[in-house]
Amino acid sequence: GAGVSQSPSNKVTEKGKDVELRCDPISGHTALYWYRQSLGQGLEFLIYFQGNSAPDKSGLPSDRFSAERTGGSVSTLTIQRTQQEDSAVYLCASSLERGGGWETQYFGPGTRLLVL
Amino acid sequence: SQQGEEDPQALSIQEGENATMNCSYKTSINNLQWYRQNSGRGLVHLILIRSNEREKHSGRLRVTLDTSKKSSSLLITASRAADTASYFCATVPLHTGGFKTIFGAGTRLFVKA
Repeated sequence: GAGVSQSPSNKVTEKGKDVELRCDPISGHTALYWYRQSLGQGLEFLIYFQGNSAPDKSGLPSDRFSAERTGGSVSTLTIQRTQQEDSAVYLCASSLERGGGWETQYFGPGTRLLVL
Repeated sequence: SQQGEEDPQALSIQEGENATMNCSYKTSINNLQWYRQNSGRGLVHLILIRSNEREKHSGRLRVTLDTSKKSSSLLITASRAADTASYFCATVPLHTGGFKTIFGAGTRLFVKA
């Protein structure tokens, strides 16, 4: 079926506004990941979902960041009161089961967020 | 700090030459993966090597793993212009419960035609 999709592809917002990023994983994949990639940098792990549960939220940079997943499928990453340092590409990935180092992660194309 | 560190940060070679990228990590792992990223967007999985393996091949890719030195290398043989991309190693430290994937900063490879 289709790969991982993310929307929007690009988002420009003003400092202080809230943004919501969406990820549609591959159908049937139970594990879902969010990463952040700043310009020219590696990926920073944000959060992992197994089904609708997020066992570890410690990667979220601040309490302005939150994520949820419903129906074991679509996930949204919300950033409240955006700051300029939130500007980055936000990548979502999914894997069939346990994920992490045990399986291949399939990545979406990312959402490029620019906070002015 | 990042679990994985790649070197070199950037590599420029001629088409047909081999490209070698290295990755070092800090804590015990079960396996290590290499990914490729084109144009700063989504990553594509290349190869996974388990901690009990020392070498693995996939097409023009050869990956080695030395758990005693906590390092891995990715060799791309007979490079092509289409291999131009950033390459990342990824590990899951054992102490994180098996899901927190740590990526290095990547090696940017440029293959000149």
